[in-house]
Amino acid sequence: DAKTTQPNSMESNEEEPVHLPCNHSTISGTDYIHWYRQLPSQGPEYVIHGLTSNVNNRMASLAIAEDRKSSTLILHRATLRDAAVYYCILISGTYKYIFGTGTRLKVLA
Amino acid sequence: DTEVTQTPKHLVMGMTNKKSLKCEQHMGHRAMYWYKQKAKKPPELMFVYSYEKLSINESVPSRFSPECPNSSLLNLHLHALQPEDSALYLCASSQEGQRTDTQYFGPGTRLTVL
Repeated sequence: DAKTTQPNSMESNEEEPVHLPCNHSTISGTDYIHWYRQLPSQGPEYVIHGLTSNVNNRMASLAIAEDRKSSTLILHRATLRDAAVYYCILISGTYKYIFGTGTRLKVLA
Repeated sequence: DTEVTQTPKHLVMGMTNKKSLKCEQHMGHRAMYWYKQKAKKPPELMFVYSYEKLSINESVPSRFSPECPNSSLLNLHLHALQPEDSALYLCASSQEGQRTDTQYFGPGTRLTVL
């Protein structure tokens, strides 16, 4: 199974952009890249997903490297409510969610 | 309604007890999942039901027994658990389990085995 690697933790100042990296060097051609985040005492929630092209939604942007071996989740203006653990996940085949170790994002006021 | 509900929120049980965790969704989703999450670790997939049939069992010990009585309900029956089974148990659902699906997670049941 393909795996993802993420930094353990990152810090950002409030209202500044945050770039959360993820390495997935063993990704296969049909694996989708999903990002979820988990706020304290809650279940994970969906943020964004993509296959090859960069993606934008109301929460974030996803930049995928041309060789697909890495991706970056971009939060355009971090708020205190964005403090969470962010998981980069490869969807490898039906149902198979392979969670990375996650990045704990701390947002400083 | 994009909510997945789980009951109970907290559960404490002895190693000889039998208990059940319950998960419910009313989004018409046909894939439902059980995950186990230890402290400061990512969720680990345990079971997947697709159209009420067990599709994936990730080599989970038989002391965990899943059940999907209908398309909205998912149970996890617990028997003779060990202290190392103490964890947060998360339920999730998605449209059909496709790679583009969004998974919707419940808040979890925090289980403590004494």
